[in-house]
Amino acid sequence: EDKVVQSPLSLVVHEGDTVTLNCSYEVTNFRSLLWYKQEKKAPTFLFMLTSSGIEKKSGRLSSILDKKELFSILNITATQTGDSAVYLCAVEETGGYQKVTFGIGTKLQVIP
Amino acid sequence: GAVVSQHPSWVICKSGTSVKIECRSLDFQATTMFWYRQFPKQSLMLMATSNEGSKATYEQGVEKDKFLINHASLTLSTLTVTSAHPEDSSFYICSASDREGSEKLFFGSGTQLSVL
Repeated sequence: EDKVVQSPLSLVVHEGDTVTLNCSYEVTNFRSLLWYKQEKKAPTFLFMLTSSGIEKKSGRLSSILDKKELFSILNITATQTGDSAVYLCAVEETGGYQKVTFGIGTKLQVIP
Repeated sequence: GAVVSQHPSWVICKSGTSVKIECRSLDFQATTMFWYRQFPKQSLMLMATSNEGSKATYEQGVEKDKFLINHASLTLSTLTVTSAHPEDSSFYICSASDREGSEKLFFGSGTQLSVL
């Protein structure tokens, strides 16, 4: 059975801290790994990772994928209260049709 | 953990036909379910929110007569794309929440719809 496991489940940090969110996966036909930020009902796309070792960066957020060890991390530096959200990891598979498996998310709370 | 099953995974249909997609919560009661469309490398676009036993709430720009949502029980919501056209081809995903106002959403694996 395909799995996507995120850790920690929940995290509380102070503004300015750096956080690292983890996502490990076991899927049959990996195509890409996606990170989303969910603040309300609809997750907002952050990154798509397909190749190992290549860091993707967007402002204070960055992410990297390790296809050998089957995990990815999402880093947020100099956290702000606006970073408070649930961060979702999802893995896309190939095989004729699109299939996505989501993790249950990491809830990040940034306090002033 | 909570599991949401979405069916079918992939459907190909002719233009003008209707397609029904099911979203089931397997081990919890889903008071609220959400339906999204997803385009590659983009955010999930919320289409509608469905609450068990009441009418769905559609987001602006989503035709409620085109995308019929039924949430008849606490474990099942269905999305019917009526008179599908090629522009409706997309990846549709559902998610479910086990209680009102909860931030925790559990996602289905999606349905790829291809309309010829």
